Amino acid sequence: AQSVAQPEDQVNVAEGNPLTVKCTYSVSGNPYLFWYVQYPNRGLQFLLKYITGDNLVKGSYGFEAEFNKSQTSFHLKKPSALVSDSALYFCAVSAIYNQGGKLIFGQGTELSVKP
Amino acid sequence: DAGVIQSPRHEVTEMGQEVTLRCKPISGHNSLFWYRQTMMRGLELLIYFNNNVPIDDSGMPEDRFSAKMPNASFSTLKIQPSEPRDSAVYFCASSLGLAGGVQETQYFGPGTRLLVL
Repeated sequence: AQSVAQPEDQVNVAEGNPLTVKCTYSVSGNPYLFWYVQYPNRGLQFLLKYITGDNLVKGSYGFEAEFNKSQTSFHLKKPSALVSDSALYFCAVSAIYNQGGKLIFGQGTELSVKP
Repeated sequence: DAGVIQSPRHEVTEMGQEVTLRCKPISGHNSLFWYRQTMMRGLELLIYFNNNVPIDDSGMPEDRFSAKMPNASFSTLKIQPSEPRDSAVYFCASSLGLAGGVQETQYFGPGTRLLVL
């Protein structure tokens, strides 16, 4: 079965510092990995995805994520955090033909960026 | 495009009443998903449709919940009778569908915040 783990419920970062939000996954076969962000009282917004190719994926708002097959991880990163990045971040995984190809979401990580 | 449209945005009802949530997916999208989000259980997939056909309803909590997609531009999620534990934010999402056996990127609506008293 597919699963996603986001080991940190909350990440606190000072504005201007680099940020990392962690995600590990478990699938049978090649993974398809996604990051979404949810601002208060809003729906989830797509940030980036890894399907194949370069292990470093660039997405919206200056975010990037690195796919590491040996560590089964897909951590979200940003070189310099902004206060406006404060939100709830979800990692999700899908695998070809597994469970109808649907996405499995992690529990979410609350990112707080302080001035 | 207007994105995924959900209505109502907020719903307050009393226990035992019927609740109907509505969703209009992005035009041209072939897959539609209903999710529920609570503090306790996080984001849960309730059901999803591909080309208007329900593919996986294993996440539907019980018989009180039902979902329909009569055409490519409209879906409903109905709760009858509603209970306080159904209070949550319900999201609809749509995607272009399956590509190589994997779902394309899903785009979420703003959600319906349901409170059952």
